[in-house]
Amino acid sequence: EVQLVESGGGLVQPGRSLRLSCAASGFTFDDYAMHWVRQAPGKGLEWVSGISWNSGSIGYADSVKGRFTISRDNAKNSLYLQMNSLRAEDTALYYCAKDVGAAGTEWFDPWGQGTLVTVSS
Amino acid sequence: SYVLTQPPSVSVAPGQTARITCGGNNIGSKSVHWYQQKPGQAPVLVVYDDSDRPSGIPERFSGSNSGNTATLTISRVEAGDEADYYCQVWDSRGVFGGGTKLTVL
Repeated sequence: EVQLVESGGGLVQPGRSLRLSCAASGFTFDDYAMHWVRQAPGKGLEWVSGISWNSGSIGYADSVKGRFTISRDNAKNSLYLQMNSLRAEDTALYYCAKDVGAAGTEWFDPWGQGTLVTVSS
Repeated sequence: SYVLTQPPSVSVAPGQTARITCGGNNIGSKSVHWYQQKPGQAPVLVVYDDSDRPSGIPERFSGSNSGNTATLTISRVEAGDEADYYCQVWDSRGVFGGGTKLTVL
């Protein structure tokens, strides 16, 4: 069974940093692209970032470009999101999602349960 | 940037058919995917590549895509179908519609 377990969320002050992790199991991690998708409280889904199977292709939403960095460690079956210069509008539940392809341009299945990031002073 | 437009809400009586639209410029040229999200849960894929269903998703869920509109159709709606539904495409980055809340009357 495919499992994605996010961690690293919490309460952080504006301007500070946080690193999210996603532990993957139940599939060959380095065969697939991975993504981060977030959902602000009471709002819709927003794609944040994606990374191809070998980290050769990486993309970001305009809202986080230059502040967030996605990475993966295929040896550890793990996906990461380094979030710097956090803003109040980054407050959201952050989901890790598996792409069905290697390049990262397909659809997302499955999703983890999410980790909550709250940016507030 | 590419924009997907969904109606905020759709209401339907049990046993009837619900249609949720997703509008975008020439969306018919793209592959559209649909997700169901129930309160407090992560999204679940219900339709991919316009009209294909993942294993475990009832045949009542179907999709179509042409011109400027993609549609998720849920036949014989049940109370358990009440949820938020999101369409998604890839346009050099991931793009989601704003979501539609399906209410079963």
